[in-house]
Amino acid sequence: SAVISQKPSRDICQRGTSLTIQCQVDSQVTMMFWYRQQPGQSLTLIATANQGSEATYESGFVIDKFPISRPNLTFSTLTVSNMSPEDSSIYLCSAGGSDSSSTTYGYTFGSGTRLTVV
Amino acid sequence: GQNIDQPTEMTATEGAIVQINCTYQTSGFNGLFWYQQHAGEAPTFLSYNVLDGLEEKGRFSSFLSRSKGYSYLLLKELQMKDSASYLCAVSGAGSYQLTFGKGTKLSVIP
Repeated sequence: SAVISQKPSRDICQRGTSLTIQCQVDSQVTMMFWYRQQPGQSLTLIATANQGSEATYESGFVIDKFPISRPNLTFSTLTVSNMSPEDSSIYLCSAGGSDSSSTTYGYTFGSGTRLTVV
Repeated sequence: GQNIDQPTEMTATEGAIVQINCTYQTSGFNGLFWYQQHAGEAPTFLSYNVLDGLEEKGRFSSFLSRSKGYSYLLLKELQMKDSASYLCAVSGAGSYQLTFGKGTKLSVIP
């Protein structure tokens, strides 16, 4: 399965600023996703990062607030814009897709970015 | 939409067997995943079921019944390091996205 390097691992940011999180995958993958995980909660999908086109956002998430790039099949970024304390959370990227037999999906996660907005 | 239910917390004894259930209601189905997540860490892939039946992988097994919208994760010979949250996630038909349940926090006690 793919190995993902995500950075930064954590950051403390001022209200009103923006932070860009990067994910680098060690192999070409079909799908990449961005999730948010509030403390003690499960994962909520923010968007699907589409290679070479605009990301597909879930209800409640918009491009102006969470712009996403995916220039190729191994790299994606998520920006948290104009941050407020409510954006304090863990942000995770996920990548994967079918194996060579196209019968099994495997998804792995980056190590996460713990964001605190003050 | 998708609705996934699993117990919030469970406690089991070291060396024992524990079964974590997951029920789901989805618009289409393209597979069910189980992940393990230790506190402060990213989820780790455990298993994937797309056909009915039991998939065994070492101490962990996962079962799926598509007609019942039901799955369970079975952990045998529990170890203290198995204390973690276990997340059930479903992929809907025609979609590669995963919808996660709220997770089951398992505590293994001596």
